[in-house]
Amino acid sequence: GENVEQHPSTLSVQEGDSAVIKCTYSDSASNYFPWYKQELGKGPQLIIDIRSNVGEKKDQRIAVTLNKTAKHFSLHITETQPEDSAVYFCATPNSGYALNFGKGTSLLVTP
Amino acid sequence: DTAVSQTPKYLVTQMGNDKSIKCEQNLGHDTMYWYKQDSKKFLKIMFSYNNKELIINETVPNRFSPKSPDKAHLNLHINSLELGDSAVYFCASSQNFQETQYFGPGTRLLVL
Repeated sequence: GENVEQHPSTLSVQEGDSAVIKCTYSDSASNYFPWYKQELGKGPQLIIDIRSNVGEKKDQRIAVTLNKTAKHFSLHITETQPEDSAVYFCATPNSGYALNFGKGTSLLVTP
Repeated sequence: DTAVSQTPKYLVTQMGNDKSIKCEQNLGHDTMYWYKQDSKKFLKIMFSYNNKELIINETVPNRFSPKSPDKAHLNLHINSLELGDSAVYFCASSQNFQETQYFGPGTRLLVL
């Protein structure tokens, strides 16, 4: 399947600061880019997604940007709160009707 | 009113045993999936089912077999369990593969 590289693997920020997680992908035909949040002991949950016809999408404190030329997309969380602490995954569709997930970013927001 | 449910939540068993994990979705979705999450949190697709047809089968040993009695259920059967099968297994569903996937709570499998 298509590769999706995610960085960083761990991220620690102070409450109120911003957090940015970046993913790069290899298949230029990819057109759907979701981000999932996984809290401890739970399944992943979609928090935001973007399709290739737009460059940015925002939902309150969360935004996703897409650069199709460079083949990367990023998750931006502003005014972070302790409840934002979780593992975040980016994903891209593969050719087999499923998602390829990045290796995850463990975000810790300290009060 | 749980959207995607899995049973059991925990499964502890001996090497060589055969076990099954059940999954049900009440969202009316056409596509269901099984993922394996290892100890490093890496999520890997195992199977994808669309309208009861297997769409993909990644490099998964044939000891693993998905069974879908109807569109709302996708069960996972595992034969001759091995130590390396220990992981968290997630079921998920979506209307199609480029729409939101809804994940179950996971089944934590430990093979001794």
